[in-house]
Amino acid sequence: NAGVMQNPRHLVRRRGQEARLRCSPMKGHSHVYWYRQLPEEGLKFMVYLQKENIIDESGMPKERFSAEFPKEGPSILRIQQVVRGDSAAYFCASSLIDYSEQYFGPGTRLTVT
Amino acid sequence: AQTVTQSQPEMSVQEAETVTLSCTYDTSENNYYLFWYKQPPSRQMILVIRQEAYKQQNATENRFSVNFQKAAKSFSLKISDSQLGDTAMYFCAGPQGGSEKLVFGKGTKLTVNP
Repeated sequence: NAGVMQNPRHLVRRRGQEARLRCSPMKGHSHVYWYRQLPEEGLKFMVYLQKENIIDESGMPKERFSAEFPKEGPSILRIQQVVRGDSAAYFCASSLIDYSEQYFGPGTRLTVT
Repeated sequence: AQTVTQSQPEMSVQEAETVTLSCTYDTSENNYYLFWYKQPPSRQMILVIRQEAYKQQNATENRFSVNFQKAAKSFSLKISDSQLGDTAMYFCAGPQGGSEKLVFGKGTKLTVNP
């Protein structure tokens, strides 16, 4: 049973470009969460999705950030017009049901130059 | 947990010895889960152990166990027989309010010395 998969593992973007981060949850998991980790910090919640629905996006910046989890395919975190402050590790987690343990992917390290 | 506090930024322990990492949290919920995650140099977040607040018995997973004090809102992690592979950042986490999203502490950097 494959774990949570994220790609790419490393992504370099110039300021103003778009970044697309992908997450495939564990088999059978229908709950996906995105977190951001800045250097020397813990993880901060961004958004919680179920298939075709955004359940909670209270941690998402109001502008430039969006997330989706389509009926088919991976969940996508999209950052438009990236700025240097977006440089961070972005982790995706999935769970089988709500209020259960979340299993994390290896993360995508985004560097904005 | 609305907030999660880890008061030990760094700790070290000798191989084969026991170490305890502290965590306190704040929540108004009565039923919730608490977690410890390990983040080795590879940056992968690995679930170490889970505690359900309605269970009085402390959770145990092999060499890892917790001391859960619900009234004190304390959730410490004990690592017995420390191994070099235990060297990592350890994060305590709890659910935010009644929601599924997790709130993480800032982490404790644990170094196991040979």
